[in-house]
Amino acid sequence: ILNVEQSPQSLHVQEGDSTNFTCSFPSSNFYALHWYRWETAKSPEALFVMTLNGDEKKKGRISATLNTKEGYSYLYIKGSQPEDSATYLCAFMGMKTSYDKVIFGPGTSLSVIP
Amino acid sequence: DAGVTQSPTHLIKTRGQQVTLRCSPKSGHDTVSWYQQALGQGPQFIFQYYEEEERQRGNFPDRFSGHQFPNYSSELNVNALWLGDSALYLCASSLRQGGLALHFGNGTRLTVT
Repeated sequence: ILNVEQSPQSLHVQEGDSTNFTCSFPSSNFYALHWYRWETAKSPEALFVMTLNGDEKKKGRISATLNTKEGYSYLYIKGSQPEDSATYLCAFMGMKTSYDKVIFGPGTSLSVIP
Repeated sequence: DAGVTQSPTHLIKTRGQQVTLRCSPKSGHDTVSWYQQALGQGPQFIFQYYEEEERQRGNFPDRFSGHQFPNYSSELNVNALWLGDSALYLCASSLRQGGLALHFGNGTRLTVT
């Protein structure tokens, strides 16, 4: 059974603080690692899809890194804003026959306090 | 450019009944995946449809079944509903030979009483 873990479970930060979350996934049979942002009353929205070890992606104040050998990814938010409040989900895609089965972690809930 | 649409948005059913949820994928997408999201958990993979066939299945019983139509839209059917089936059901579409990112609908909230 594939296990994708995320930490912390929830986080409360002050506006302007920088923060980061961790996603752990199986280091074998890796194909891709996804990050999604899920705001209340909306649908999950893709932030990044990373496929190569050492990949770094950036979108505005949000960035992500990937280590496939040790099975972890970090998501960083610089200068958090209230609109960053959301649940951040990571998801693992495995190789070959299971490559299109995307397995999600439980998410990290971020609250940014104005 | 129409995104992923799901219907209905909310549904209340009684234990033992059957339910059908519907999903229209984003324009141009050919693959539909269904997820169940219970409170406090991440989305759990139910199954995926491509070319009108179930291609991958998660750890869900046979009470959960689906269908994909020639226009790529999809249905999720759940028979003999249990109280534990109460959850948000998310549909996600993607392009099999394209980008890997999933595009999600807003979900159907199913309550079983």
